[in-house]
Amino acid sequence: GAVVSQHPSWVICKSGTSVKIECRSLDFQATTMFWYRQFPKQSLMLMATSNEGSKATYEQGVEKDKFLINHASLTLSTLTVTSAHPEDSSFYICSARPGRDYGYTFGSGTRLTVV
Amino acid sequence: QKEVEQNSGPLSVPEGAIASLNCTYSDRGSQSFFWYRQYSGKSPELIMSIYSNGDKEDGRFTAQLNKASQYVSLLIRDSQPSDSATYLCAVNISPRGGKLIFGQGTELSVKP
Repeated sequence: GAVVSQHPSWVICKSGTSVKIECRSLDFQATTMFWYRQFPKQSLMLMATSNEGSKATYEQGVEKDKFLINHASLTLSTLTVTSAHPEDSSFYICSARPGRDYGYTFGSGTRLTVV
Repeated sequence: QKEVEQNSGPLSVPEGAIASLNCTYSDRGSQSFFWYRQYSGKSPELIMSIYSNGDKEDGRFTAQLNKASQYVSLLIRDSQPSDSATYLCAVNISPRGGKLIFGQGTELSVKP
């Protein structure tokens, strides 16, 4: 089945620093990947759609200069949280699917804690 | 109106019973519908996908879709304590681009 690998699983960083999260499709090519954020006891909120070879599309209210997305290849998308602050602490999850007739597969998620 | 709505629960059922989870969506053009299970601290895992009106069965799980009523449901037969989790309804709200929008999730607790 389709596998999406996400790293790191967890990260603790100091306020003001940047953190990069990687999302890889292991056994399929993904021209599009999706980045979600989930706060405790809440559902997944779509942050942005990552497009291979072009700019990401951000959802309303998501700061594109703070959450930098790069989709440089058909199997890799990265999310960089720049100048992280404690309010950015959350569970970040990426997703992709092999094709329109398939379900969406999620990475294992990255728990970010900003101290 | 939220794009995808679910009862947040918690829904509590005894072991062996049928658990019924419901979801409504606002975009009539939606074509793809998914149910995910999420254990605490973990990422969602796909249980069922459904694309056409009617029922779709997979083991103990049955998804039901009614596009006219903009309603999708998930039935879990012979519920087990290991089924205790949050169940997320997700809808692909656009044919192109494939944005998947989630409901707020229903917490299910299966009591032994």
